[in-house]
Amino acid sequence: QKEVEQDPGPLSVPEGAIVSLNCTYSNSAFQYFMWYRQYSRKGPELLMYTYSSGNKEDGRFTAQVDKSSKYISLFIRDSQPSDSATYLCASPSGSARQLTFGSGTQLTVLP
Amino acid sequence: NAGVTQTPKFQVLKTGQSMTLQCAQDMNHEYMSWYRQDPGMGLRLIHYSVGAGITDQGEVPNGYNVSRSTTEDFPLRLLSAAPSQTSVYFCASSYNRQVNYGYTFGSGTRLTVV
Repeated sequence: QKEVEQDPGPLSVPEGAIVSLNCTYSNSAFQYFMWYRQYSRKGPELLMYTYSSGNKEDGRFTAQVDKSSKYISLFIRDSQPSDSATYLCASPSGSARQLTFGSGTQLTVLP
Repeated sequence: NAGVTQTPKFQVLKTGQSMTLQCAQDMNHEYMSWYRQDPGMGLRLIHYSVGAGITDQGEVPNGYNVSRSTTEDFPLRLLSAAPSQTSVYFCASSYNRQVNYGYTFGSGTRLTVV
């Protein structure tokens, strides 16, 4: 079992929709969680990171962690065609010397 | 600041050839790493370094060598290229040795081994 699991999609939504992207993790020791966005043929870029449980908001993006169910989510409000990308969740593993990534969810926002 | 710079952006190798993928960062980051990204497999760690002179293996180190003689540079060497090493390679760095706040990635090197 991979330590971080993510539905690969693809996910297609109309412009303006609320998008929910989700990951599950198996290691209860994970404390930090990140979301990366990767445009086609580009490197991943860090969107947000959160610590422990709860919500963190940054503009149209909200990251949510539920440690009791080992579930992490990224919500995108008022989605735009420019949000079309692959979204990767990640968490430090081992002695926090490496990030373990989900396989990514491909999102397309249709104009 | 240029951030994390990877060269070359594209490369085609023949089986058995060797080459070095270059990675440089100008952010004075202690931590640097190499990942490969394959369809359906996600990002997998090859090697990482927590400072000059210190390297360690990741999940898929076989067939790759690294060294870290300076803080800025972390080259990845393919010793004898195989078709299974066809992939997109990303270099990533972090200010802290513990990567709790994530990485900064380079733009990648697309490698094809024929």
